[in-house]
Amino acid sequence: DTGVSQDPRHKITKRGQNVTFRCDPISEHNRLYWYRQTLGQGPEFLTYFQNEAQLEKSRLLSDRFSAERPKGSFSTLEIQRTEQGDSAMYLCASSPGSGTNTGELFFGEGSRLTVL
Amino acid sequence: DQQVKQNSPSLSVQEGRISILNCDYTNSMFDYFLWYKKYPAEGPTFLISISSIKDKNEDGRFTVFLNKSAKHLSLHIVPSQPGDSAVYFCAAGEGSSSNTGKLIFGQGTTLQVKP
Repeated sequence: DTGVSQDPRHKITKRGQNVTFRCDPISEHNRLYWYRQTLGQGPEFLTYFQNEAQLEKSRLLSDRFSAERPKGSFSTLEIQRTEQGDSAMYLCASSPGSGTNTGELFFGEGSRLTVL
Repeated sequence: DQQVKQNSPSLSVQEGRISILNCDYTNSMFDYFLWYKKYPAEGPTFLISISSIKDKNEDGRFTVFLNKSAKHLSLHIVPSQPGDSAVYFCAAGEGSSSNTGKLIFGQGTTLQVKP
């Protein structure tokens, strides 16, 4: 399977703990996106990478959140000192960048975070 | 500020009939629009898209209509099938010289197709 893969699929943690999610994009895609989806809402943009450079961050991304894409391949999203409000589905997506006819983003299956 | 809105949280139709899902947007800088479908426990999957220079795009049973003056688009599914039951998201993207490819999503509409 050469789609976007995310790990873990589900994480349950206690408030105050740190969690890290990993995303492996489609191999030839140079753009990588993190979104967050809460119940009853659509995906909300968090941040975007072009290769290893983080080019845009949403104001939703508080200073407890950090994302990296060290070699322009996989990416990690870390949440420090988790709060119950962080409970959500964290979605990763990738795209080949310019030249895409449809503007489509290819999504992974998501990592569901539950903060107790 | 909700730039993309899907005002109907749910829609129920009979198998074989037409499903019409609606979406409104406020940002006139959006120049392409997409529809995604999402099943439980899966990520969103791309369904169909339309550029702002067009008013209609068709792919099999799925047709997307764009009314730029009204800032409104709709997805028509004809005929509807039980397997179409899912959450449908409208999304929009802004093209520019520094295009990020970022998409802004609506809240979603849950479609139920009854056999």
